[in-house]
Amino acid sequence: EVQLVESGGGLVQPGGSLRLSCAASGFTFSRYWMDWVRQAPGKGLEWVANIAQDGSAKYYADSVKGRFTISRDNAENSLYLQMNSLRAEDSAVYYCARVLLGSGGDELDRWGQGTLVTVST
Amino acid sequence: IVLTQSPGTLSLSPGERATLSCTASQSVTSNYLTWYQQKPGQAPRLLISGTSSRATGIPDRFSGSGSGTDFTLTISRLEPEDFAVYYCQQSSTFGQGTRLEIK
Repeated sequence: EVQLVESGGGLVQPGGSLRLSCAASGFTFSRYWMDWVRQAPGKGLEWVANIAQDGSAKYYADSVKGRFTISRDNAENSLYLQMNSLRAEDSAVYYCARVLLGSGGDELDRWGQGTLVTVST
Repeated sequence: IVLTQSPGTLSLSPGERATLSCTASQSVTSNYLTWYQQKPGQAPRLLISGTSSRATGIPDRFSGSGSGTDFTLTISRLEPEDFAVYYCQQSSTFGQGTRLEIK
């Protein structure tokens, strides 16, 4: 069974840092692009970043570019999101998601349950 | 690209037909238009990829259509479990969502 389990969320002060992790199982992690998508409380979905199978390509939303870094460890079947210089508007549930194999449009066929990040004093 | 979903909220009864729209500000690349369903407290679930291909396990009452800038998700006969929020997506852009509620 495909599973994506996020961890690392919590309460952090503005300007602080947090590292999210996503543990993947039940599929060959190294074959898939992976994404981070977030959802502020009561709001819609916002794409954050994605990363190629071997980590050679990474893309970011303008809202997080220069502050967030996506990475992966295929040996550990894990995806990461390093978040620096956090702002109140970064508060959201962060989902890791798997890109549909063969997708040309970043279609996300499996999602984790999400981890909540709250940026506040 | 901006994706605009309409209506914002749709109130219908079980057994009725639901038509949800997603309009893109420019033509969608290779018709890579995707639909997700999200229920309260849950992660989104992939419904439709490539404009019209149902994901694994999705009932055939769900169908997607469209091309260019105008796309539609149709639920032929609403079941109680279909009341949720629906999002369209193209690449790194999501629509704002349509809430489908019980009338």
